[in-house]
Amino acid sequence: DTAVSQTPKYLVTQMGNDKSIKCEQNLGHDTMYWYKQDSKKFLKIMFSYNNKELIINETVPNRFSPKSPDKAHLNLHINSLELGDSAVYFCASSDDRGGATNEKLFFGSGTQLSVL
Amino acid sequence: QKEVEQDPGPLSVPEGAIVSLNCTYSNSAFQYFMWYRQYSRKGPELLMYTYSSGNKEDGRFTAQVDKSSKYISLFIRDSQPSDSATYLCAMSLYNNNDMRFGAGTRLTVKP
Repeated sequence: DTAVSQTPKYLVTQMGNDKSIKCEQNLGHDTMYWYKQDSKKFLKIMFSYNNKELIINETVPNRFSPKSPDKAHLNLHINSLELGDSAVYFCASSDDRGGATNEKLFFGSGTQLSVL
Repeated sequence: QKEVEQDPGPLSVPEGAIVSLNCTYSNSAFQYFMWYRQYSRKGPELLMYTYSSGNKEDGRFTAQVDKSSKYISLFIRDSQPSDSATYLCAMSLYNNNDMRFGAGTRLTVKP
Protein backbone atom coordinates (compact mmCIF):
# COMPACT_ATOMS: atom_id res chain seq x y z
CA ASP A 1 0.00 0.00 0.00
CA THR A 2 1.36 3.36 -1.00
CA ALA A 3 1.33 5.74 1.96
CA VAL A 4 1.38 9.00 -0.02
CA SER A 5 0.33 8.75 -3.63
CA GLN A 6 0.19 11.50 -6.21
CA THR A 7 -1.00 11.58 -9.78
CA PRO A 8 -0.03 12.01 -12.49
CA LYS A 9 3.61 10.91 -12.34
CA TYR A 10 4.42 12.91 -15.44
CA LEU A 11 2.64 15.98 -16.78
CA VAL A 12 3.58 17.69 -20.02
CA THR A 13 1.61 20.76 -20.97
CA GLN A 14 1.70 24.04 -22.84
CA MET A 15 2.35 27.46 -21.38
CA GLY A 16 -0.79 29.20 -20.27
CA ASN A 17 -2.72 26.02 -19.45
CA ASP A 18 -4.28 25.23 -16.08
CA LYS A 19 -3.47 21.88 -14.51
CA SER A 20 -3.98 19.98 -11.27
CA ILE A 21 -1.92 17.42 -9.40
CA LYS A 22 -3.70 15.14 -6.97
CA CYS A 23 -2.37 13.80 -3.69
CA GLU A 24 -3.80 11.29 -1.28
CA GLN A 25 -2.39 9.88 1.96
CA ASN A 26 -3.70 6.79 3.75
CA LEU A 27 -1.65 7.30 6.92
CA GLY A 28 -4.31 9.15 8.86
CA HIS A 29 -2.03 12.18 9.09
CA ASP A 30 -3.47 15.58 9.80
CA THR A 31 -0.99 17.77 7.95
CA MET A 32 -0.13 17.72 4.26
CA TYR A 33 2.41 19.65 2.23
CA TRP A 34 3.45 20.52 -1.27
CA TYR A 35 7.13 20.84 -2.13
CA LYS A 36 8.83 21.92 -5.35
CA GLN A 37 12.16 20.41 -6.40
CA ASP A 38 13.95 22.30 -9.13
CA SER A 39 16.49 21.02 -11.63
CA LYS A 40 19.30 21.55 -9.11
CA LYS A 41 17.50 19.29 -6.63
CA PHE A 42 16.63 22.07 -4.20
CA LEU A 43 13.48 21.16 -2.28
CA LYS A 44 11.37 24.11 -1.19
CA ILE A 45 8.15 24.03 0.73
CA MET A 46 5.22 25.64 -1.03
CA PHE A 47 2.28 24.99 1.30
CA SER A 48 1.38 23.19 4.44
CA TYR A 49 -2.23 22.51 5.36
CA ASN A 50 -4.13 20.89 8.16
CA ASN A 51 -7.75 21.22 9.05
CA LYS A 52 -6.97 24.36 10.97
CA GLU A 53 -4.81 26.45 8.77
CA LEU A 54 -3.10 26.90 5.46
CA ILE A 55 0.45 28.18 5.59
CA ILE A 56 1.75 29.57 2.36
CA ASN A 57 5.36 30.16 1.50
CA GLU A 58 5.44 33.83 0.60
CA THR A 59 7.54 33.16 -2.50
CA VAL A 60 4.85 31.02 -4.13
CA PRO A 61 2.94 32.85 -6.90
CA ASN A 62 -0.79 33.07 -6.40
CA ARG A 63 -1.23 31.05 -9.59
CA PHE A 64 -0.66 28.07 -7.32
CA SER A 65 -3.49 27.07 -5.03
CA PRO A 66 -3.93 24.03 -2.81
CA LYS A 67 -7.36 22.47 -2.51
CA SER A 68 -8.28 20.00 0.20
CA PRO A 69 -11.60 18.17 -0.19
CA ASP A 70 -10.88 16.21 3.00
CA LYS A 71 -8.11 15.36 5.45
CA ALA A 72 -6.64 12.67 3.25
CA HIS A 73 -6.32 14.76 0.11
CA LEU A 74 -4.44 17.89 -0.85
CA ASN A 75 -4.51 18.74 -4.53
CA LEU A 76 -2.40 21.39 -6.20
CA HIS A 77 -3.98 23.55 -8.86
CA ILE A 78 -1.81 25.71 -11.10
CA ASN A 79 -3.22 28.45 -13.31
CA SER A 80 -1.59 29.98 -16.37
CA LEU A 81 1.44 27.69 -16.37
CA GLU A 82 4.82 29.25 -17.12
CA LEU A 83 8.08 27.75 -18.34
CA GLY A 84 9.64 28.34 -14.92
CA ASP A 85 7.05 26.10 -13.30
CA SER A 86 8.78 23.06 -14.78
CA ALA A 87 10.01 21.02 -11.82
CA VAL A 88 9.19 17.95 -9.77
CA TYR A 89 6.38 18.53 -7.28
CA PHE A 90 6.21 16.39 -4.16
CA CYS A 91 3.32 15.91 -1.84
CA ALA A 92 4.10 14.99 1.77
CA SER A 93 2.28 14.39 5.02
CA SER A 94 3.02 14.24 8.74
CA ASP A 95 1.16 13.53 11.94
CA ASP A 96 1.24 16.63 14.14
CA ARG A 97 -1.66 15.74 16.39
CA GLY A 98 0.64 14.81 19.27
CA GLY A 99 1.84 18.38 19.44
CA ALA A 100 5.47 17.49 18.92
CA THR A 101 7.35 19.49 16.37
CA ASN A 102 9.03 18.03 13.34
CA GLU A 103 7.14 14.80 13.07
CA LYS A 104 8.47 12.59 10.29
CA LEU A 105 7.60 13.68 6.76
CA PHE A 106 6.36 11.05 4.35
CA PHE A 107 6.80 12.00 0.69
CA GLY A 108 5.02 10.85 -2.42
CA SER A 109 6.97 9.78 -5.51
CA GLY A 110 6.68 13.14 -7.21
CA THR A 111 5.05 14.59 -10.31
CA GLN A 112 7.42 15.73 -13.01
CA LEU A 113 5.87 18.78 -14.64
CA SER A 114 7.22 19.97 -17.97
CA VAL A 115 5.86 23.20 -19.40
CA LEU A 116 6.57 23.69 -23.09
CA GLN B 1 25.17 32.79 1.07
CA LYS B 2 22.61 30.01 1.02
CA GLU B 3 21.12 29.03 4.35
CA VAL B 4 22.16 25.41 3.85
CA GLU B 5 25.20 24.44 1.79
CA GLN B 6 25.77 20.91 0.57
CA ASP B 7 28.26 19.69 -2.00
CA PRO B 8 26.19 18.12 -4.80
CA GLY B 9 28.96 15.69 -5.73
CA PRO B 10 28.72 13.29 -7.43
CA LEU B 11 30.54 11.05 -4.99
CA SER B 12 31.62 7.58 -6.06
CA VAL B 13 33.03 5.03 -3.63
CA PRO B 14 33.76 1.29 -3.72
CA GLU B 15 31.54 -1.11 -1.82
CA GLY B 16 32.54 -1.38 1.82
CA ALA B 17 33.95 2.16 2.05
CA ILE B 18 33.05 4.61 4.76
CA VAL B 19 31.12 7.53 3.31
CA SER B 20 31.09 10.99 4.83
CA LEU B 21 28.42 13.49 3.74
CA ASN B 22 28.35 17.01 5.08
CA CYS B 23 26.34 20.20 5.24
CA THR B 24 27.05 23.63 6.62
CA TYR B 25 24.47 26.20 7.53
CA SER B 26 24.32 29.85 8.39
CA ASN B 27 21.35 30.16 10.74
CA SER B 28 22.48 29.35 14.28
CA ALA B 29 18.85 29.10 15.40
CA PHE B 30 18.26 25.77 13.61
CA GLN B 31 17.37 23.11 16.17
CA TYR B 32 16.25 20.09 14.17
CA PHE B 33 18.58 18.31 11.77
CA MET B 34 17.61 15.59 9.37
CA TRP B 35 19.05 13.46 6.62
CA TYR B 36 16.81 12.24 3.82
CA ARG B 37 17.65 9.64 1.20
CA GLN B 38 16.17 10.00 -2.27
CA TYR B 39 16.35 7.24 -4.85
CA SER B 40 16.01 8.16 -8.51
CA ARG B 41 12.44 9.09 -9.44
CA LYS B 42 11.26 8.64 -5.85
CA GLY B 43 10.38 10.97 -3.02
CA PRO B 44 12.79 11.61 -0.15
CA GLU B 45 12.60 9.30 2.86
CA LEU B 46 13.79 10.22 6.33
CA LEU B 47 16.99 8.44 7.38
CA MET B 48 18.13 10.20 10.51
CA TYR B 49 16.71 12.83 12.81
CA THR B 50 18.63 14.73 15.48
CA TYR B 51 17.56 17.43 17.86
CA SER B 52 20.27 19.94 18.76
CA SER B 53 23.91 18.84 18.99
CA GLY B 54 25.37 15.39 19.35
CA ASN B 55 25.59 12.05 17.62
CA LYS B 56 22.98 9.52 16.71
CA GLU B 57 23.61 6.05 15.41
CA ASP B 58 21.25 3.73 13.57
CA GLY B 59 22.79 0.60 12.13
CA ARG B 60 25.38 1.57 9.56
CA PHE B 61 24.39 5.24 9.71
CA THR B 62 25.69 7.87 12.13
CA ALA B 63 24.54 11.48 12.18
CA GLN B 64 26.60 14.16 13.86
CA VAL B 65 25.64 17.74 14.63
CA ASP B 66 28.16 20.38 15.66
CA LYS B 67 26.16 23.52 16.34
CA SER B 68 29.22 25.52 17.34
CA SER B 69 30.64 25.02 13.84
CA LYS B 70 27.22 24.95 12.12
CA TYR B 71 28.17 21.68 10.53
CA ILE B 72 26.34 18.39 10.24
CA SER B 73 27.55 15.05 8.93
CA LEU B 74 26.19 11.69 7.92
CA PHE B 75 28.52 8.69 7.99
CA ILE B 76 27.71 5.44 6.24
CA ARG B 77 29.79 2.44 7.28
CA ASP B 78 30.28 -0.61 5.09
CA SER B 79 28.57 1.12 2.19
CA GLN B 80 26.47 -1.03 -0.13
CA PRO B 81 25.40 -0.56 -3.76
CA SER B 82 21.86 -0.18 -2.40
CA ASP B 83 23.04 3.01 -0.64
CA SER B 84 23.43 4.65 -4.06
CA ALA B 85 21.06 7.60 -3.92
CA THR B 86 20.95 11.33 -3.35
CA TYR B 87 21.28 12.34 0.29
CA LEU B 88 19.67 15.58 1.38
CA CYS B 89 20.34 17.32 4.63
CA ALA B 90 17.51 19.33 6.13
CA MET B 91 17.11 21.54 9.13
CA SER B 92 14.48 23.64 10.79
CA LEU B 93 13.87 26.06 13.64
CA TYR B 94 10.50 24.90 14.94
CA ASN B 95 8.68 22.48 12.70
CA ASN B 96 8.23 21.11 9.20
CA ASN B 97 6.87 24.42 7.94
CA ASP B 98 10.23 26.17 8.09
CA MET B 99 12.42 23.29 7.00
CA ARG B 100 15.36 24.12 4.73
CA PHE B 101 16.91 21.48 2.52
CA GLY B 102 20.42 21.23 1.12
CA ALA B 103 20.89 20.61 -2.59
CA GLY B 104 21.62 16.92 -2.03
CA THR B 105 24.76 14.86 -2.63
CA ARG B 106 24.53 12.16 -5.25
CA LEU B 107 26.29 9.01 -4.03
CA THR B 108 27.21 5.95 -6.07
CA VAL B 109 28.56 2.85 -4.36
CA LYS B 110 30.26 0.59 -6.87
CA PRO B 111 30.27 -3.21 -6.34
